[in-house]
Amino acid sequence: NAGVTQTPKFRVLKTGQSMTLLCAQDMNHEYMYWYRQDPGMGLRLIHYSVGEGTTAKGEVPDGYNVSRLKKQNFLLGLESAAPSQTSVYFCASVGASGSLYEQYFGPGTRLTVT
Amino acid sequence: RKEVEQDPGPFNVPEGATVAFNCTYSNSASQSFFWYRQDCRKEPKLLMSVYSSGNEDGRFTAQLNRASQYISLLIRDSKLSDSATYLCVVRAQDDKIIFGKGTRLHILP
Repeated sequence: NAGVTQTPKFRVLKTGQSMTLLCAQDMNHEYMYWYRQDPGMGLRLIHYSVGEGTTAKGEVPDGYNVSRLKKQNFLLGLESAAPSQTSVYFCASVGASGSLYEQYFGPGTRLTVT
Repeated sequence: RKEVEQDPGPFNVPEGATVAFNCTYSNSASQSFFWYRQDCRKEPKLLMSVYSSGNEDGRFTAQLNRASQYISLLIRDSKLSDSATYLCVVRAQDDKIIFGKGTRLHILP
């Protein structure tokens, strides 16, 4: 049972390039989340999804797009990368609503934009 | 005002001491509350959920005050292995899950 996996683990992009980060979970969870974490900062919510085919904006959605075509996958896209998007990106999933349900995190993707 | 606010610390505490963190949240419709722990450059891990009546898990006690919109975490008999960043997390009615910036804790030998 892999839990939550993220691909790739590391990436270096040049300004203006595009890329897609993949988050996959094998726990049949409904809810999935993308966060970014900058040095000395907590996690900031980019976008999230409460089910297949649905997405919603978080705290810092600008410059990112997401898709949830399959329940197990949540994709985060950067159409035109900027140095300000250099960060560690974490994906998480949750089974259901309520305090009994914790978020399970992937190991993170470390992205550098030069 | 940020949705979830924490004192960033660091808290430098001798081993064996008791330490407490507070966290405030702005959305009165928030439904679920958690404390997560994050070690350097790793993904966050759930420490404990926070229930309205307060709850305890070993050396850790969490409290929720809905009227004042704050959450607390108390660590008793602190260990060196407790050194980490503690993240306050709030889940709203729309299932948005928001993290505070975290409180850094250093346990000193």
